[in-house]
Amino acid sequence: ELKVEQNPLFLSMQEEKNYTIYCNYSTTSDRLYWYRQDPGKSLESLFVLLSNGAVKQEGRLMASLDTKARLSTLHITAAVHDLSATYFCAVDMWEYSGGGADGLTFGKGTHLIIQP
Amino acid sequence: DVKVTQSSRYLVKRTGEKVFLECVQDMDHENMFWYRQDPGLGLRLIYFSYDVKMKEKGDIPEGYSVSREKKERFSLILESASTNQTSMYLCASTTIRLAGVADTQYFGPGTRLTVL
Repeated sequence: ELKVEQNPLFLSMQEEKNYTIYCNYSTTSDRLYWYRQDPGKSLESLFVLLSNGAVKQEGRLMASLDTKARLSTLHITAAVHDLSATYFCAVDMWEYSGGGADGLTFGKGTHLIIQP
Repeated sequence: DVKVTQSSRYLVKRTGEKVFLECVQDMDHENMFWYRQDPGLGLRLIYFSYDVKMKEKGDIPEGYSVSREKKERFSLILESASTNQTSMYLCASTTIRLAGVADTQYFGPGTRLTVL
């Protein structure tokens, strides 16, 4: 069974601080996704990471992927209130299923609150 | 912009009713997916489809069926709704999988279904 574990699940932090969300997954995958969800809204794609050592940055968010460690991180730099949301990582099932299945397996999400 | 629309934002049904959730995408995507989202559980894959009239089971297909008669439309059917199917249902679509291409899944706004 493909498992995706995020931690922490809840995070309250102050503006201007830095923090990292961790995403561990249990088997090989060639794709790792990060999504953001605001309350009552759908999922917004943030990053798709394809290969070992991949790093992508958008504003105050930076995502990286270590396929050997089966670990991805989402780093928040100098947090601002607008980044308050729930963040999900997800892993593609294609490799795990031997090419027989598609779709994503999601972590449970990290609920991030950034306080002034 | 990719647009994925779902027929209803909120739906209230009674136990035993047959329920149809509709999803339409306008980007000519081959792949479409249905997920359900529950607090503390993240998103879980119910069914997906690679092509018209084609369907594959995801992680939690029990109690659900799907229909894809046209490329742009993917329907989720609850044959006999039960209270444990009260949830947020999210539809997603993506283009055909290509090695090395960082495609993402685009999500619809979600349908919050309550079964009484």
